[in-house]
Amino acid sequence: EPEVTQTPSHQVTQMGQEVILRCVPISNHLYFYWYRQILGQKVEFLVSFYNNEISEKSEIFDDQFSVERPDGSNFTLKIRSTKLEDSAMYFCASSEGVVGVSGNTIYFGEGSWLTVV
Amino acid sequence: QKEVEQNSGPLSVPEGAIASLNCTYSDRGSQSFFWYRQYSGKSPELIMFIYSNGDKEDGRFTAQLNKASQYVSLLIRDSQPSDSATYLCAVKPDSGYSTLTFGKGTMLLVSP
Repeated sequence: EPEVTQTPSHQVTQMGQEVILRCVPISNHLYFYWYRQILGQKVEFLVSFYNNEISEKSEIFDDQFSVERPDGSNFTLKIRSTKLEDSAMYFCASSEGVVGVSGNTIYFGEGSWLTVV
Repeated sequence: QKEVEQNSGPLSVPEGAIASLNCTYSDRGSQSFFWYRQYSGKSPELIMFIYSNGDKEDGRFTAQLNKASQYVSLLIRDSQPSDSATYLCAVKPDSGYSTLTFGKGTMLLVSP
C-alpha cells in the first residue's frame, strides 16, 4: 500500500540551528501538508501546498518556517532558527485531491520527532 | 477560532463491548468529518469519514453525524484490546481549502 515516508525519524538539534525535515508524499497525490503535534497536545495544521505553492498556512507557520518541493518527489519543511518550543512530532501528509471532495482524505507519514535542546 | 472538542478520557470498556466516542465542533458550516486512530508515538491512521447526516458503517465501526447538533460520534462494536488507542476527531472547516482541524482525542482502553 502506498505510504508517505519521512526522514529523519528523530532529530536532536541545538536552539538556533536550522533543521530540514524531508517527506516523500504518495506518488499520485497532489496536495501536501505539514502538521505538528507537541507532546500530549493535539495535531495542529501548519501549511498546505499545491501546484508548487503554499495554498494555506496557519498562524504557527511564521517566517521561521518554509516549505519546498525541490524535485518531483520530495517535500521539505525547513525551520530556520529553532526554538525550544519547536520540539514536537512533525507529520507530513498528502491527499489525492481536495479534502472532503469525492472521498479524498489526508494520509499521514510516520512523523519526524524533533527535539530542540 | 474553530474548535473541535472531545472528552480526553480515558474511556475504559471491557473486551467485546461497544465503545462510544463523541466529538462536537463549533464551525456550523463544516461539511466533512473524519475519525483517526493514533497509537502512542505513532501517526494518525484514518478509520473513516462521514459527510452526510446519519450513520455510516464500516466493519466494526459506525460513524454518526448530526449537523444540527454539531455532533459526530464513532461507535466501535466488539471492542478488542488492539483498539486501545487515542481516537482523533477531525473536521474540515467550511472556510479553508483543504485543511483539517483536530480535536485533542479520546483515549480508549479496552481491557481483556
